[in-house]
Amino acid sequence: DGGITQSPKYLFRKEGQNVTLSCEQNLNHDAMYWYRQDPGQGLRLIYYSQIVNDFQKGDIAEGYSVSREKKESFPLTVTSAQKNPTAFYLCASSRTESNQPQHFGDGTRLSIL
Amino acid sequence: GQQVMQIPQYQHVQEGEDFTTYCNSSTTLSNIQWYKQRPGGHPVFLIQLVKSGEVKKQKRLTFQFGEAKKNSSLHITATQTTDVGTYFCARGGSYIPTFGRGTSLIVHP
Repeated sequence: DGGITQSPKYLFRKEGQNVTLSCEQNLNHDAMYWYRQDPGQGLRLIYYSQIVNDFQKGDIAEGYSVSREKKESFPLTVTSAQKNPTAFYLCASSRTESNQPQHFGDGTRLSIL
Repeated sequence: GQQVMQIPQYQHVQEGEDFTTYCNSSTTLSNIQWYKQRPGGHPVFLIQLVKSGEVKKQKRLTFQFGEAKKNSSLHITATQTTDVGTYFCARGGSYIPTFGRGTSLIVHP
C-alpha cells in the first residue's frame, strides 16, 4: 500500500539537542515537503525538495536542516538553534507538475523536555 | 508569499445544521485545493477547482470557485459528527500550494 511514513510519532528534545525526524515515501513522487503546524497557524512550509540532492528553504527554515540523498527519503533535523521547536511536523509529497495534490504522512509531535 | 484568507477560524454547529467556510485571495487564483484534517490526524486532499464558477459536489459537500477566481467556498449540508475537523484551502499554480489557516468545525450532537 503506497504512502508516506513518518517516525517517530512522538519525540522529546532536551535543551541544546539536535533531533531528526524521518520521512519515507513509496509513491514515486519527486517533490517532498516539510511543514510545521501550530494551533491556529495552519501549515507553514519549512523546506521542500523537487529532486534528489536539491532542496530549498520555505517560509520558516531557520533552525532546521534537511537532506535529500534518496528519492524516497527527506529527513528533517531540528537543531538547537530552533528556540521554539514544540509543534506538530508534517511531511508531504507530490508530483512536480502544477496543480498536483499533496499526500501527507501521519506527522511527528515534537515536545521540549 | 501570496496568502489565502480563510474565515471563520472556528465554527460551532449543532448536528444537522449546515456549515460554510470561505477562502479569499486578493489576487486571481489559478486553482484552489481543499483538504480536511481530522483531530490528531493529517490533512487529506478532498478536491481541486480550476475553472471560473466551477461547482463540484461530494455527497453532502459542495465546493464552489468564484467567477473572478479570487474566492472559494466549501458548504456542508446537514452536518454529522464525522464532519468534525479542520478544513484548509490551498492556492495552487505551482507544485507548492500555499495553505490558508483553516476553519475548525465543531459539531455538537
